[in-house]
Amino acid sequence: DVVMSQTPLSLSVTPGQPASISCKSSQSLMQSDGKTYLYWYLQKPGQPPQLLIYEVSNRFSGVPDRFSGSGSGTDFTLKISRVEAEDVGVYYCMHSVPMWTFGQGTTVEIK
Amino acid sequence: QAQLVQSGAEVKKPGASVKVSCKASGYTFSSHAIHWVRQAPGQSLEWMGWSNAGNGNTEYSQKFQGRVTITRDTSASTAYMELSGLRFEDTAVYYCVRGGGDPWGQGTLVTVSS
Repeated sequence: DVVMSQTPLSLSVTPGQPASISCKSSQSLMQSDGKTYLYWYLQKPGQPPQLLIYEVSNRFSGVPDRFSGSGSGTDFTLKISRVEAEDVGVYYCMHSVPMWTFGQGTTVEIK
Repeated sequence: QAQLVQSGAEVKKPGASVKVSCKASGYTFSSHAIHWVRQAPGQSLEWMGWSNAGNGNTEYSQKFQGRVTITRDTSASTAYMELSGLRFEDTAVYYCVRGGGDPWGQGTLVTVSS
């Protein structure tokens, strides 16, 4: 089974500053159809996760353009260009083939 | 827009079963898969299985094989997840999620307590 590992596990960021979260998989996530099914979610306190990024780098509908995803193979990154107070919560990466596998989560707080 | 609404919180004794419902609206129910994910207190997210809402085919995580059953009622646009042989460590919030990763239901807290 694929194992997803996120670093760091927690992050304290000054508003307006950038933030970056890494997600590494135990094997390549590239599928035979040429796609890579790597997703990023944000879970705000007391809420279900909300989809930010799908297939590595595609922002989901309504997601601010300060969020961006990149990577390939086994190494992926979520970047927030300028962190805002509303971005606090736990960020998860997820792979969806053949089963859904989540990273441990990265807690982002505001300094 | 697409929405998933789950049934309310449950308290169960060890060894009992729980059945959580997930009612879909705003999209064609039978055209999308429904996945079930759980989250124990303070923990990450754990995938349990999924159902093809069109033909009812299912696939389960090996961890829950034999204890979980996912079904659906297309006439009611509702999916169900039943977990049997409940243990204290099954205490968690259970979510349904449409295939593709959005939307998620609001979550159902299942507490296993003697």
